[in-house]
Amino acid sequence: GAVVSQHPSRVICKSGTSVKIECRSLDFQATTMFWYRQFPKQSLMLMATSNEGSKATYEQGVEKDKFLINHASLTLSTLTVTSAHPEDSSFYICSALASGADLRTEAFFGQGTRLTVV
Amino acid sequence: AQSVTQLDSHVSVSEGTPVLLRCNYSSSYSPSLFWYVQHPNKGLQLLLKYTSAATLVKGINGFEAEFKKSETSFHLTKPSAHMSDAAEYFCVTFSGGYNKLIFGAGTRLAVHP
Repeated sequence: GAVVSQHPSRVICKSGTSVKIECRSLDFQATTMFWYRQFPKQSLMLMATSNEGSKATYEQGVEKDKFLINHASLTLSTLTVTSAHPEDSSFYICSALASGADLRTEAFFGQGTRLTVV
Repeated sequence: AQSVTQLDSHVSVSEGTPVLLRCNYSSSYSPSLFWYVQHPNKGLQLLLKYTSAATLVKGINGFEAEFKKSETSFHLTKPSAHMSDAAEYFCVTFSGGYNKLIFGAGTRLAVHP
């Protein structure tokens, strides 16, 4: 199946700094990518939908200035957590939708990034 | 609005015994339904999906699920659990109106020797 690579898998940063997480589709082009946040022992919460070459669409309650999303190419989307605080510590997962496909087929998920803010 | 409800937050079985993870859906039309598995600190892997074709869907690793419209259910089953099946399982539907996936709360499966 298609591969989505997420990097880094784990990151520890100091409070107040920014962290960038990359999501790459390795063997297909992804017009649309999704970013999720998962708290311990909870389900995935959609944060935003990013479309290549346009602004991301954020879910209600997600601060767009804090969670910056850039989808500059058909194979790369980045999530930057700006001025991170301990409450931003979480597991972040991206998924990618192949160009021309829709969610009724399959979205491919990255392996996730464990962010710890100290 | 489309939604899914996973009826059990935790399921514990012995190795070699059957697995049943329950999911009910709510939809105003024929839904698309998925089961994903997540191992600790990993992303999600698709086990199987239902998209209005055959009601009995076979997936990877011996899992299967049956779409029952009369019961609005899409339960995941496996005849014989293996230790490697221990993970978190998510029942997921597709919100066509909003072009996004809707996740159930998840069921944590434990498999004991």
